[in-house]
Amino acid sequence: GQQVQQSPASLVLQEGENAELQCNFSSTATRLQWFYQHPGGRLVSLFYNPSGTKHTGRLTSTTVTNERRSSLHISSSQTTDSGTYFCAIDRSSNYQLIWGSGTKLIIKP
Amino acid sequence: EAAVTQSPRNKVAVTGGKVTLSCNQTNNHNNMYWYRQDTGHGLRLIHYSYGAGSTEKGDIPDGYKASRPSQENFSLILELATPSQTSVYFCASGDAGTNSDYTFGSGTRLLVI
Repeated sequence: GQQVQQSPASLVLQEGENAELQCNFSSTATRLQWFYQHPGGRLVSLFYNPSGTKHTGRLTSTTVTNERRSSLHISSSQTTDSGTYFCAIDRSSNYQLIWGSGTKLIIKP
Repeated sequence: EAAVTQSPRNKVAVTGGKVTLSCNQTNNHNNMYWYRQDTGHGLRLIHYSYGAGSTEKGDIPDGYKASRPSQENFSLILELATPSQTSVYFCASGDAGTNSDYTFGSGTRLLVI
């Protein structure tokens, strides 16, 4: 079946360093989306990015669909970036998402 | 402000009891979803709905039922709760036509003892 694998499982950085999170998926995704979960549990959508590169603030998402991979780059990390980042793919074009296990990011001051 | 509201935020239930988790959305989205999240894992889809009156099984539907009586409301029902259903449950709404507009509730922390 379709699978989503994220790496690394956890990442600890000093404030100001850049973070690179990876997502690999096992079949052609109709959509790929990145989500962020706050340490307190709240989930928010970061990027819908089925292909190409998208930017918002210090975050950049790059998806190479034919290689079945996506990355999330966080530049000049801040302590408020700490939390868990998930990627998810849509199996059916109707938002039935399959989720990776997440990358837990810890930014130390 | 459009939102997804879940209730209760926390729930303690006894094994064998009935539990109903409620979700209300003001986004006017057609699709609604129930997920559970266990420690160290991503979200797993339990049930979803395409609109009022519709419920569909997700990846892990066993032991759960769902009800979508209206566009705004989507409930998850545990008829006979078991300790293995202890988890954090998230409701979400979204529409295929608005790809970035996928909104989550704050979650319900359920403990079955």
